[in-house]
Amino acid sequence: DIQMTQSPSSVSASVGDRVTITCRASQGISSWLAWYQQKPGKAPKLLIYAASSLQSGVPSRFSGSGSGTDFTLTISSLQPEDFATYYCQQANSFPQTFGQGTKVEIK
Amino acid sequence: EVQLVESGGGLVQPGGSLRLSCAASGFTFSSYSMNWVRQAPGKGLEWVSYISSSSSTIYYADSVKGRFTISRDNAKNSLYLQMNSLRDEDTAVYYCARDQELSFFDYWGQGTLVTVSS
Repeated sequence: DIQMTQSPSSVSASVGDRVTITCRASQGISSWLAWYQQKPGKAPKLLIYAASSLQSGVPSRFSGSGSGTDFTLTISSLQPEDFATYYCQQANSFPQTFGQGTKVEIK
Repeated sequence: EVQLVESGGGLVQPGGSLRLSCAASGFTFSSYSMNWVRQAPGKGLEWVSYISSSSSTIYYADSVKGRFTISRDNAKNSLYLQMNSLRDEDTAVYYCARDQELSFFDYWGQGTLVTVSS
């Protein structure tokens, strides 16, 4: 199975900050990577797919980059509604696997 | 509007069975692959099972293989997960998720809680 490792596990940031979350795959997955946002008690929401494609309706302050084994989710200017947990997911092969999550907290 | 609504969760004893359902609307259900994803309390996301649009291809996570069965009824726009021989560690919120053409999950239901406890 492909292991997905996110860092950091949590980050404290202020409104307006630039936040970067990284995700590393245990083997190459080309661009078969997605990022999801999850708020407490809610279902995950797709933000980025195919490593860098913005899902329809998602604000442009979210961006993704990377290929192979190393990927990044960037929030260019953190907004109050962005405080949540973020997960990466590889769709290169079954079983599809998720990272352990990164909690973005208010500083 | 795409909607996925899960049902069938509840409290069950270890070794018991439960059948989850996911009712889909707002899109051509028969054209999309579907998945079940679960989340144990306070934990991360775990993919559980995949079924292709025609049911011809099915995959399971090792943790549920041999115990869970995924199925669908395209005429009823419904997805199912039959869960047998349930264990404490199966306790989780179970989500159904639509498989975007590139195998990412673009729509999710609200989830249904399964609690396995004596």
